[in-house]
Amino acid sequence: GENVEQHPSTLSVQEGDSAVIKCTYSDSASNYFPWYKQELGKRPQLIIDIRSNVGEKKDQRIAVTLNKTAKHFSLHITETQPEDSAVYFCAASRDNNDMRFGAGTRLTVKP
Amino acid sequence: DAGVIQSPRHEVTEMGQEVTLRCKPISGHNSLFWYRQTMMRGLELLIYFNNNVPIDDSGMPEDRFSAKMPNASFSTLKIQPSEPRDSAVYFCASSPTYNEKLFFGSGTQLSVL
Repeated sequence: GENVEQHPSTLSVQEGDSAVIKCTYSDSASNYFPWYKQELGKRPQLIIDIRSNVGEKKDQRIAVTLNKTAKHFSLHITETQPEDSAVYFCAASRDNNDMRFGAGTRLTVKP
Repeated sequence: DAGVIQSPRHEVTEMGQEVTLRCKPISGHNSLFWYRQTMMRGLELLIYFNNNVPIDDSGMPEDRFSAKMPNASFSTLKIQPSEPRDSAVYFCASSPTYNEKLFFGSGTQLSVL
């Protein structure tokens, strides 16, 4: 099955700086790549997603890039704010709906 | 829409007891997933259903775990007998169709003493 690796496991940035989280996947048939944010004690919630026919997608301060050849995708958060502090998970899925998650990145934004 | 509903929110039980976790997906969603979350192993996919049919249960840790989806609006995850290492947060999620965003329930915090 699909194997998703995520780096770094922890990331600390100063408020206003950018944060980048990277993921790699193993199954070349994967074609859907969502990112979830999980605040302490809460459920994971989707923040952005990208499909394999697109190389980049942006939503305000959040962007995701996909390199199909290298099988990696990244989450970029610009102008970070303290409320961005959370655990972020990447995931990969293919047409059979098998959605696998990375291990998560704990992002801390220091005021 | 009430979202994905899981019950109970918290479950404390003793080793050897049977545990049943329940999930009601969002109405009209065709896919349902069970995940287990721990600090050590992150979000593990246990099993998922498409149109009430189990597709892949290779993530189920052992024969002690079983899951059912008797109809489109209800699923259960059962652990029998439970062990302390089963302690985790168990999330149920549903999606409208294949390869789409997941909507997670609030999770069940399971503690096996």
